[in-house]
Amino acid sequence: QQQVKQSPQSLIVQKGGISIINCAYENTAFDYFPWYQQFPGKGPALLIAIRPDVSEKKEGRFTISFNKSAKQFSLHIMDSQPGDSATYFCAAKWDQAGTALIFGKGTTLSVSS
Amino acid sequence: GAVVSQHPSRVICKSGTSVKIECRSLDFQATTMFWYRQFPKQSLMLMATSNEGSKATYEQGVEKDKFLINHASLTLSTLTVTSAHPEDSSFYICSAQGVAGGMYEQYFGPGTRLTVT
Repeated sequence: QQQVKQSPQSLIVQKGGISIINCAYENTAFDYFPWYQQFPGKGPALLIAIRPDVSEKKEGRFTISFNKSAKQFSLHIMDSQPGDSATYFCAAKWDQAGTALIFGKGTTLSVSS
Repeated sequence: GAVVSQHPSRVICKSGTSVKIECRSLDFQATTMFWYRQFPKQSLMLMATSNEGSKATYEQGVEKDKFLINHASLTLSTLTVTSAHPEDSSFYICSAQGVAGGMYEQYFGPGTRLTVT
C-alpha cells in the first residue's frame, strides 16, 4: 500500500511538444502529491505539488492533473524545451509533520531540439 | 526561499575511515529532516527520518550504527558514515521539511557524492 508507480521510465519529446508523465498510488491516506525535477549530480527540486481537494494545478508550463477516484496523478509540461531534459519523480505522502515522501522510480525526459 | 545546503558536495575517503556530511536549512526552521541515498539512474531511497532533539528513525535494512544521524538544532542535521567501505559509495541527499501554503513540503539539498577507496 506504500507504492507509487510511475510511467513511462523514459520519454523523448520534440521541442515545443507536451510531455506527460503518469503516476498511480495505492494508499488512500496519501494527501500530498509533489513532483520533483532532478538534473544529473544535483538534488531534486520541488516543481509543483497538489492536494486531493483540487483536480488540477498549474504553475507556468507545468500542470498537475489529479484523479482521486482512479488514484492517479500526472505531470504535463507544455511547450517542452531542451532545458527541461531531466529526471522527474512523482511522490506521495500523508501531509503531516514528520512523514516522509514515497517516490516513484523516475522518468528520464529528453527534449530534442 | 526554502534553501537547503549540504557540505561537502564531494568527498573521497579511504576504507575504514569516517565521513561527516552536514545538512542545513538556510532560511527556515525544519523540525524534521530526512536522509536519502541514491544509486545511479535510480530513485531516492529513504534511509532515516530525523526530528530535532530526538533519536533518528531508521528504515528497515539501514544500519543505525553505521549511519549516525544527529539533529542538534532546527537548522542542522548531520550524517556520519562510520568505518566506510567501498559499498557505501553513493550519492547522499538530505531533505528538510517546511510548511508552505498549508502543506508540509520537503526541500532537498544538492547532495554529497561519497567515494570510498
